Amino acid sequence: KAGVTQTPRYLIKTRGQQVTLSCSPISGHRSVSWYQQTPGQGLQFLFEYFSETQRNKGNFPGRFSGRQFSNSRSEMNVSTLELGDSALYLCASSLLTGGSTDTQYFGPGTRLTVL
Amino acid sequence: GIQVEQSPPDLILQEGANSTLRCNFSDSVNNLQWFHQNPWGQLINLFYIPSGTKQNGRLSATTVATERYSLLYISSSQTTDSGVYFCAVERKNDYKLSFGAGTTVTVRA
Repeated sequence: KAGVTQTPRYLIKTRGQQVTLSCSPISGHRSVSWYQQTPGQGLQFLFEYFSETQRNKGNFPGRFSGRQFSNSRSEMNVSTLELGDSALYLCASSLLTGGSTDTQYFGPGTRLTVL
Repeated sequence: GIQVEQSPPDLILQEGANSTLRCNFSDSVNNLQWFHQNPWGQLINLFYIPSGTKQNGRLSATTVATERYSLLYISSSQTTDSGVYFCAVERKNDYKLSFGAGTTVTVRA
């Protein structure tokens, strides 16, 4: 099976712009989670989508949003970019057979730089 | 939120050496996962181990949920084992993973 794919791999934006990142999960996986990784804060959970519904969200401002499509592909959007949004954004997919988190399979990430 | 502490923060090994990484967590958990992040940023799941012991080749892990810790063992380390090892836990009824700060492992030839 193909792994989790993320596009684009690299992005450079300026403050105030918005950005959309895309994630395609492993075939058959219906849960997609997003994480932000920075040197200062480490890996932090953004949100999780399952069957086109947001199942859980982390402690991020409303500028961070996401959605999931019927084919399980997911997008996340960051509006009004700030310098502090520069990070590696990671997407992970899982089967989600029960209530708790299943084994997470990560994509290669999108490295966002905000100037 | 739940606190996840990993130790040591950094580890330098000679090729062939064995090592133990530790993960302590502050609350009851539904599950615990270990990941390896290679120098290119790719995170690979090593173990899904809410309790008990598992082995996969030269790696093994043990989680003692009642005492709120997990251990990752690397035996006969190789240069390809270099990278950052993360422990992540899901607190009961929380349904999201919280990551530790990681242990950076450098294996020298």
